[in-house]
Amino acid sequence: IQMTQSPSSLSASVGDRVTITCRASEGIRNDLGWYQQKPGKAPKRLIYGASSLESGVPSRFSGSGLGTEFTLTISSLQPEDFATFYCLQYKDYPYTFGQGTKLEIK
Amino acid sequence: QVQLVQSGAEVKNPGASVRVSCKASGYSFNTYSIHWVRQAPGQGLEWMGIINPNVESTNYAQKFRDRISVTSDTSTSTVYMQLSNLRSEDTAIYYCARLRRGDYWGQGTLVTVST
Repeated sequence: IQMTQSPSSLSASVGDRVTITCRASEGIRNDLGWYQQKPGKAPKRLIYGASSLESGVPSRFSGSGLGTEFTLTISSLQPEDFATFYCLQYKDYPYTFGQGTKLEIK
Repeated sequence: QVQLVQSGAEVKNPGASVRVSCKASGYSFNTYSIHWVRQAPGQGLEWMGIINPNVESTNYAQKFRDRISVTSDTSTSTVYMQLSNLRSEDTAIYYCARLRRGDYWGQGTLVTVST
């Protein structure tokens, strides 16, 4: 299953609302997670099951989608949110990541 | 608390093999599968494979299928990932991760393939 993530990079300001999209090459139900990775660190999951927030993750992060189209939304960007984001499908082996979205400060 | 602790950085020549270990603690080792994910410098995340330690069943990405072997040792709660016939493109940080009932990652192991 191929995961196509867009955009590959995004420039935004503190307080902005941003949306990142992942499209699956075939239906994956809601078997999708969203990860945030900061430089030099392991990835950290924000969302699982397409829309469930991991414990401790701020509520400004939200996920939606089912089947082939998924979105990660950050409602009001905070300085600590600037990072690279990845989607991961886990419906079938091999699991596959999206190409990543680098979120930079405008 | 759940912890995954990986072995240290490695430098290998092209054509050699590398074995990276991932020691789990803080939970019942046989209960959850362990994944291996790698990240080349400046690149994205790449899923490599998975092992279910309870039955030692594995599943690998097609790209690595002829070069990778993931094993587990229940006596030490450790998972091993061996990658053979290394080439320069295998230079990357290798992570082990538990992705069920939470999200837990090792600290990463840098493998450098160079002459």
